[in-house]
Amino acid sequence: GESVGLHLPTLSVQEGDNSIINCAYSNSASDYFIWYKQESGKGPQFIIDIRSNMDKRQGQRVTVLLNKTVKHLSLQIAATQPGDSAVYFCAERRSNTGKLIFGQGTTLQVKP
Amino acid sequence: GAVVSQHPSWVICKSGTSVKIECRSLDFQATTMFWYRQFPKQSLMLMATSNEGSKATYEQGVEKDKFLINHASLTLSTLTVTSAHPEDSSFYICSGRGGSRTSSYNEQFFGPGTRLTVL
Repeated sequence: GESVGLHLPTLSVQEGDNSIINCAYSNSASDYFIWYKQESGKGPQFIIDIRSNMDKRQGQRVTVLLNKTVKHLSLQIAATQPGDSAVYFCAERRSNTGKLIFGQGTTLQVKP
Repeated sequence: GAVVSQHPSWVICKSGTSVKIECRSLDFQATTMFWYRQFPKQSLMLMATSNEGSKATYEQGVEKDKFLINHASLTLSTLTVTSAHPEDSSFYICSGRGGSRTSSYNEQFFGPGTRLTVL
C-alpha cells in the first residue's frame, strides 16, 4: 500500500517544551490532510485537519502548517504534556478516490 | 465526533479457522467504510473500501477471497479473515465515513481496533 513519509521515527521532548512533528507527502492531488494520535492498543484519534487551500490552522495547543510547494506538513504541540506521549500519524486524502493514506508515524516521548 | 465500535476487541484463534470482525457506526450512517491493518510499530495500511450495498474495492496485494468484507447496512460492516494463518496476526481497524460518496471532506471516524492473534 501507499504511505506518506515522515522525517523522524522518534521525538523525545521535555515536559513543557514545544514539539514539532514533520511529515512529507508525495501526491500533489491530495487536498485534505489530517493529524492523528494513536495510543498503544487503540484506534487513531483525530487531532486537527487542514485543507489544501490553507497553510495554517490552529487548535487547542496544536497548530498544523502546510507547505504545498515542498509537500510538507507539520504538527506543532505547545507546552507538551506527558499525556501527549503517543504515536502521531499524518494522513492525506486523495481527492480522486477519497482514500485516506497514512504516513509512517512518529513516536513522541515526553520526559517529565 | 461520531462513534465507531468494533467487536471483538481482541481474538485468538487457531490456524486454519475463520474470524469475523464487526464494525458499527453508532450515531451516524456510514456510507463508506474502510478497513485498515496495522502491524506492530508500523503505520495503518488500507486494505479495502466498501460502500453500502456494493462490493468492496481491495487495495493491491490484498486477497479479496481471504479477507471477505460485507457492508450490508449503513451502520454495519464485517471483515472475515478466512483460513487464518499466523502471518494474519495484526491489529485491524475500521473507519466509517458518512455523507456523499463523492465528497472528500466528510470526516472519517475510526474504531478502536481488533487485535487478532492466530496461533
